[in-house]
Amino acid sequence: ETGVTQSPTHLIKTRGQQVTLRCSSQSGHNTVSWYQQALGQGPQFIFQYYREEENGRGNFPPRFSGLQFPNYSSELNVNALELDDSALYLCASSGTYGNTIYFGEGSWLTVV
Amino acid sequence: AQRVTQPEKLLSVFKGAPVELKCNYSYSGSPELFWYVQYSRQRLQLLLRHISRESIKGFTADLNKGETSFHLKKPFAQEEDSAMYYCALSETTGTASKLTFGTGTRLQVTL
Repeated sequence: ETGVTQSPTHLIKTRGQQVTLRCSSQSGHNTVSWYQQALGQGPQFIFQYYREEENGRGNFPPRFSGLQFPNYSSELNVNALELDDSALYLCASSGTYGNTIYFGEGSWLTVV
Repeated sequence: AQRVTQPEKLLSVFKGAPVELKCNYSYSGSPELFWYVQYSRQRLQLLLRHISRESIKGFTADLNKGETSFHLKKPFAQEEDSAMYYCALSETTGTASKLTFGTGTRLQVTL
């Protein structure tokens, strides 16, 4: 059973607001990635954090930002929310290079 | 840029029939490919990866570099196989690795 947990599970925000999503990685995993999954689409890579530093980023604007803490948990922040940001946001954690990636259940964000 | 294509949104088969979920990829390097599955109300989970060449829940997938394909197969479908299946390609640069997913295929196994 994977130990990646995300919060909140569902939330609704208004266009222009800011949101913070949280993720606790599986014990012993030092790498956290965030993905956005729009309805009917596969997950899309947002960015990855390794030992508290961003070390890879997908095609997302700077208003998508993140943090990783010393305990390897992570936050995804999205500023100036747009309607198209409505999606399932997935957190994934992995150990050292080449290890299996485990996903959390995701946070459903609806922007109205 | 890497790309993963799953041409079928929905595949409906009868129980006991063979299953083939198609996946094609575009990648300039040496690909590392995966199949992920998402059962109803459950999280995305790894089904298999090509480098392990294993069979999980009766599913197998062979990497065909000539056809740039990584189709998922099972000889006899079971009801519990009904789920959303995603093909994914991993790209690693230094310590960073990311997965590029296809749009997914919903497998529906009916009696």
